[in-house]
Amino acid sequence: AQKITQTQPGMFVQEKEAVTLDCTYDTSDQSYGLFWYKQPSSGEMIFLIYQGSYDEQNATEGRYSLNFQKARKSANLVISASQLGDSAMYFCAMREGPRTYKYIFGTGTRLKVLA
Amino acid sequence: GAVVSQHPSRVICKSGTSVKIECRSLDFQATTMFWYRQFPKQSLMLMATSNEGSKATYEQGVEKDKFLINHASLTLSTLTVTSAHPEDSSFYICSAPPLVPGQGASSYEQYFGPGTRLTVT
Repeated sequence: AQKITQTQPGMFVQEKEAVTLDCTYDTSDQSYGLFWYKQPSSGEMIFLIYQGSYDEQNATEGRYSLNFQKARKSANLVISASQLGDSAMYFCAMREGPRTYKYIFGTGTRLKVLA
Repeated sequence: GAVVSQHPSRVICKSGTSVKIECRSLDFQATTMFWYRQFPKQSLMLMATSNEGSKATYEQGVEKDKFLINHASLTLSTLTVTSAHPEDSSFYICSAPPLVPGQGASSYEQYFGPGTRLTVT
């Protein structure tokens, strides 16, 4: 069965510095997709970045990049030049299977950006 | 981008009453919608998959008679918490994938509603 693990319950980062949020996964599927979502205190889930298992390059979206290491089954989120508004909960998620929209979520990492 | 709305955003109800939460896809159609539950400082837990025109599929451990789901149209799914109790107090979030895979920013992306905070007194 698929599993997502986020081992950092909380992280601190100084404003303008980069931070890496860890995510490891377990799946027996060859085709899978990995997502990162941001959840601020308001509760909405904000899509940040997506990595497909067959994508040869690491995904990037503005200040967000995904450090995808397939052999190690890790998909870490890197946020560059952190901003105060980045303080939020961050969830790593994976599709449950090759052709499903069902996700499984990790337990999340709470990021606090310090001024 | 695709927008999913939820109504109400917050609701307080008395123990024993029922409360209905609506999830709407505003600018796209969705044959499937997902309902999640999130306790404070915890992750999202999938409760059920709402299917337009057919019965919902519930995850293991979720009481289908307590959490009634109706997918009335291609843009609306409702979750009714029946005979609510304080332990049902939670944040409920719906999501909807587009009708056609790949229409989103990435394949199989879901669009999430803003959530409904339910408090049962």
